Amino acid sequence: SQKIEQNSEALNIQEGKTATLTCNYTNYSPAYLQWYRQDPGRGPVFLLLIRENEKEKRKERLKVTFDTTLKQSLFHITASQPADSATYLCALDESNAGNMLTFGGGTRLMVKP
Amino acid sequence: NAGVTQTPKFQVLKTGQSMTLQCAQDMNHNSMYWYRQDPGMGLRLIYYSASEGTTDKGEVPNGYNVSRLNKREFSLRLESAAPSQTSVYFCASRTPDKYSYGYTFGSGTRLTVV
Repeated sequence: SQKIEQNSEALNIQEGKTATLTCNYTNYSPAYLQWYRQDPGRGPVFLLLIRENEKEKRKERLKVTFDTTLKQSLFHITASQPADSATYLCALDESNAGNMLTFGGGTRLMVKP
Repeated sequence: NAGVTQTPKFQVLKTGQSMTLQCAQDMNHNSMYWYRQDPGMGLRLIYYSASEGTTDKGEVPNGYNVSRLNKREFSLRLESAAPSQTSVYFCASRTPDKYSYGYTFGSGTRLTVV
């Protein structure tokens, strides 16, 4: 069966450090992978999309890698700040048509000052 | 501000009651989606509409119906609410450029069925 796995345990890091979150998937051949941020009581907010032919993508302090051989994406936040504390979700499009985006369970990040 | 608007934000229903969750987007997106989010289960797709006039089932459609009223609006109806439908419901929409942008989500409807 198809699975998207994110570490369900919270990740606690010190302000200024780099946070690295992992997304592993099985039985998918996605054309792209997405990352979202979700704050308590709010809807997910789109952060980054990386295509299968892209190894790495950056946006300000965010960096995403995509290894289709390992079936894994890593999400990095450099120089982390307490304001980065949130739950981060990865998502894959099962159909590659953009109509069946499936989400992982998310990893909660806590950045301590 | 442009985005996805959901109403109501909170709702308590008794078992067997019906209700419609409303969703509207003003970004001229073709595709719209309904998800539910439960602790430990993540976001699960209920129904989606790839374009005006079309709707399709997602992963968990049982107990729900949808209507794509026009390009802007996509409603979710619970005909006979059950406690298992207690959840947070999110509506989302997507630009046609699926290789560059993700979904835009509303702020959610927190539904409790007692």
